[in-house]
Amino acid sequence: KAGVTQTPRYLIKTRGQQVTLSCSPISGHRSVSWYQQTPGQGLQFLFEYFSETQRNKGNFPGRFSGRQFSNSRSEMNVSTLELGDSALYLCASSEGTGGSGNTIYFGEGSWLTVV
Amino acid sequence: AQKITQTQPGMFVQEKEAVTLDCTYDTSDQSYGLFWYKQPSSGEMIFLIYQGSYDEQNATEGRYSLNFQKARKSANLVISASQLGDSAMYFCAMREGSRGAGNNRKLIWGLGTSLAVNP
Repeated sequence: KAGVTQTPRYLIKTRGQQVTLSCSPISGHRSVSWYQQTPGQGLQFLFEYFSETQRNKGNFPGRFSGRQFSNSRSEMNVSTLELGDSALYLCASSEGTGGSGNTIYFGEGSWLTVV
Repeated sequence: AQKITQTQPGMFVQEKEAVTLDCTYDTSDQSYGLFWYKQPSSGEMIFLIYQGSYDEQNATEGRYSLNFQKARKSANLVISASQLGDSAMYFCAMREGSRGAGNNRKLIWGLGTSLAVNP
């Protein structure tokens, strides 16, 4: 069974640009969450999608957005990039149904550098 | 407020010895789940072990075991027979509401413990 796949792995953007990150969850998983990891703030929750619906959102500005497609693949977008958006962005996948579907698996992450 | 505390910024252990990484949590919810993840320098967050708040037995996964003390609100990770490849950051995380269909809430994370295994 393939794991969580995130693309791209590494990218460099300029301030003011926008970026789109992609995540393909484990086959059969319907829940996708996104996290931002920085040395200063640690791991912070961005948002979670289940069956194409956003179920939960973290405390991030509106420049951060996401969506989920019918095949459970998800994208997150950051517009008008700022230097502080430089981070590792991690995508998490789970069955999302509770019970035995509790385990949450992560991808390798997308390293974003804003210059 | 929900909170995860990992009090050990860094730990050293000799190869083949056991090590315990501490994690305490704070929640007012009766239903929650606790996770441990390993993050090598590559960045990938690798799932190690899960403990549900209603699980009566301590979770075990190979060389990993979770010492779950509910009354003390602690969920320490024990790694037996450490290997050089265990050197990494280790994160404890909590999710409230571990039961119920579609009940998949966000993870609250600790700041992590950097483990170095010495040969």
